[in-house]
Amino acid sequence: AQTVTQSQPEMSVQEAETVTLSCTYDTSESDYYLFWYKQPPSRQMILVIRQEAYKQQNATENRFSVNFQKAAKSFSLKISDSQLGDAAMYFCAYRSPFFTGNTPLVFGKGTRLSVIA
Amino acid sequence: DAGVTQSPTHLIKTRGQQVTLRCSPKSGHDTVSWYQQALGQGPQFIFQYYEEEERQRGNFPDRFSGHQFPNYSSELNVNALLLGDSALYLCASSPPDNTDTQYFGPGTRLTVL
Repeated sequence: AQTVTQSQPEMSVQEAETVTLSCTYDTSESDYYLFWYKQPPSRQMILVIRQEAYKQQNATENRFSVNFQKAAKSFSLKISDSQLGDAAMYFCAYRSPFFTGNTPLVFGKGTRLSVIA
Repeated sequence: DAGVTQSPTHLIKTRGQQVTLRCSPKSGHDTVSWYQQALGQGPQFIFQYYEEEERQRGNFPDRFSGHQFPNYSSELNVNALLLGDSALYLCASSPPDNTDTQYFGPGTRLTVL
């Protein structure tokens, strides 16, 4: 079974600075999807960024980018120019490819990010 | 375009009671998944419904059951509630043509006393 590990329970960053959240995962599959979700106090899980394992290019969405190291099974999230609204719980998630069925997400335990004004 | 909606927002029950939570998927989505998120933890997969049938199930007891209606909305039922069932219950929907991404609702906070 796949597992996802987030080793940083809490992180903090100064407003306008850059922060990197870590995530490692364990799988025997060669193709899969990886995600970062943000969960603010409103509780709604919001998709931040996604990465297909077969793509070598790291995904980028505005101020959010990932460093995907397939051999190391590492998938970190970099937030640039941090804003107060970035404060939230961040979850890393893994998903097997669709051809094995509409498979569920496997989540890590999350990292709580605080942004200091 | 309404996103995924869930009702109720909060619910308080006592041990042994039964509860029903509801989810309406995002427009155009036909697959609904349910997750349980205990306090301070990441969500854990309960089960998934597609074409009104349970397609996959996580490691949850039979006290957890569900249903999907022809309009793709879904219900999660929990019988014989235990204190440990207190959690945030999240519903997520996926479209038929892009099933690698799931969209989540705001969740239902269940408290069992």
